[in-house]
Amino acid sequence: GQNIDQPTEMTATEGAIVQINCTYQTSGFNGLFWYQQHAGEAPTFLSYNVLDGLEEKGRFSSFLSRSKGYSYLLLKELQMKDSASYLCAVRTGGFKTIFGAGTRLFVKA
Amino acid sequence: DTAVSQTPKYLVTQMGNDKSIKCEQNLGHDTMYWYKQDSKKFLKIMFSYNNKELIINETVPNRFSPKSPDKAHLNLHINSLELGDSAVYFCASSPRTDDYEQYFGPGTRLTVT
Repeated sequence: GQNIDQPTEMTATEGAIVQINCTYQTSGFNGLFWYQQHAGEAPTFLSYNVLDGLEEKGRFSSFLSRSKGYSYLLLKELQMKDSASYLCAVRTGGFKTIFGAGTRLFVKA
Repeated sequence: DTAVSQTPKYLVTQMGNDKSIKCEQNLGHDTMYWYKQDSKKFLKIMFSYNNKELIINETVPNRFSPKSPDKAHLNLHINSLELGDSAVYFCASSPRTDDYEQYFGPGTRLTVT
């Protein structure tokens, strides 16, 4: 079956660094995505990994290990506006995108 | 200026009714999608169209029928609404089927009473 696991909730302090993990088991792999979704809003694209390694984009970085079926999203210099849900998603062999349930991140002052 | 738009934003209706949600994208993308996000926040693909042709059809009841009159529009019609259909429905688009970034509309919150 298809399965994407990520923690339900995390809490971190403003200015700190937080790492959100994601593990997946899917039939085929054509890339892993991270989306940010604020409450009551649409998901917005953050990052994409298809090869192993780290992709950096400003305060956000995403890592992928295909052999381990593992990814993480790293958020640096946390700001209050980073409080949101972070969705891990995998594009499968059939180019279907499967989303995890999301990790709700709470950033406290 | 809205890239992907949906109407209506909120929809409250009674069981057994038929309703439609409209989606339009002005990005010139070839591929459009419908997702359902339930109360547990799982975002699940329902349908995907590429250039007006259906390419993904998940295990969705026949009561749900997508229609794509042109590649800029993908509407969702739902017959005989049930309580379990209550959710937020997101439309999305991407330049091509194999493009990684999807652009999501603002969502339609459907409440069936």
